[in-house]
Amino acid sequence: NAGVTQTPKFQVLKTGQSMTLQCAQDMNHEYMSWYRQDPGMGLRLIHYSVGAGITDQGEVPNGYNVSRSTTEDFPLRLLSAAPSQTSVYFCASSYSSYETQYFGPGTRLLVL
Amino acid sequence: RKEVEQDPGPFNVPEGATVAFNCTYSNSASQSFFWYRQDCRKEPKLLMSVYSSGNEDGRFTAQLNRASQYISLLIRDSKLSDSATYLCVVNNNNDMRFGAGTRLTVKP
Repeated sequence: NAGVTQTPKFQVLKTGQSMTLQCAQDMNHEYMSWYRQDPGMGLRLIHYSVGAGITDQGEVPNGYNVSRSTTEDFPLRLLSAAPSQTSVYFCASSYSSYETQYFGPGTRLLVL
Repeated sequence: RKEVEQDPGPFNVPEGATVAFNCTYSNSASQSFFWYRQDCRKEPKLLMSVYSSGNEDGRFTAQLNRASQYISLLIRDSKLSDSATYLCVVNNNNDMRFGAGTRLTVKP
């Protein structure tokens, strides 16, 4: 039982490049979410999904896209990376938003 | 004003001390509440959910005051292993909001 997995662990991008952060869970959770964590800001919700085919915007969605074609996977796409997107990104999953969220180990992203 | 606010600390306490953290939230429609713990450079992990009636788990007690819109966490008999950042989390219809966290250091 792997829980929530995220790849890559680290990534360096140049301004304007695009990339996809992968997130997968094997717990059959319906609710999945992406957060970014910046110093002094806490975690901020980027996008979330309450089930396959359903996504919605969180607090800071600009510059990011998501899709949820399966229950297991919830990739986050950076369309055109900017230095302001330098952050630590966490993916999380749970049966619902009212229950315990399980977090992946995070992806550290640096945009130059 | 942030939707969820916490005192950032740091709180530096000796082993065995009792320490309390508060968290306030601005959205009165918020439906569920949690405390998470985050160790340095690690992912957050659930410490406990917070119920209207208050709840206790060993040395940890959480309280919710809906009228005043605040949540509290009490840690009794602090251990060195309690050193971490404690995150207050508020859920409003699937939109999860985190506080910036309160850092606790327990010293021998």
